[in-house]
Amino acid sequence: GENVEQHPSTLSVQEGDSAVIKCTYSDSASNYFPWYKQELGKRPQLIIDIRSNVGEKKDQRIAVTLNKTAKHFSLHITETQPEDSAVYFCAAPRTGTASKLTFGTGTRLQVTL
Amino acid sequence: DAGVIQSPRHEVTEMGQEVTLRCKPISGHNSLFWYRQTMMRGLELLIYFNNNVPIDDSGMPEDRFSAKMPNASFSTLKIQPSEPRDSAVYFCASSLKGGNQPQHFGDGTRLSIL
Repeated sequence: GENVEQHPSTLSVQEGDSAVIKCTYSDSASNYFPWYKQELGKRPQLIIDIRSNVGEKKDQRIAVTLNKTAKHFSLHITETQPEDSAVYFCAAPRTGTASKLTFGTGTRLQVTL
Repeated sequence: DAGVIQSPRHEVTEMGQEVTLRCKPISGHNSLFWYRQTMMRGLELLIYFNNNVPIDDSGMPEDRFSAKMPNASFSTLKIQPSEPRDSAVYFCASSLKGGNQPQHFGDGTRLSIL
């Protein structure tokens, strides 16, 4: 099955700096990669996703890049703000069961003033 | 536009009691997922349904757990009998059927078994 590794587990940045979170996956057939943001006590919320036919996707201060050859994808947050503080999860589908997602272990992002 | 609706939001009960968690997926979505989230194990998929049919229940921890989806707008996750180690946040999510479809999560049920 799919194995998703996520790094770092914690990340602290100053307000205004950029944050990068990386995930690797094992199944070369995986073709959909969503990112979720989970604030304390709240539900995971989809913030951006990318499909394997593109290498990069942007939405305002958030971008995701995909390297299919190396089997890794990254979340980039620019001009970070305190409200970006949360746990971020990457995910990738499991082979043969495209509906199922394997989630990374999460990155706790802390944006300090 | 209503999202995924779960009830109850919080449940506290004594071990040995039956617990029933409920979920209403987004209208028009035909895939439904039950997840469990704990600090130790992260976000785990328990079971998922396509068109009300259970497709994969390999994540269900043991026979004490069962899930049903009697129609397209309602699903339940039942634990009987409950144990303290079942304490977790249980999320329901739904999506359109098929691969590469975004999953949208409900607000979860925080379950505490004493």
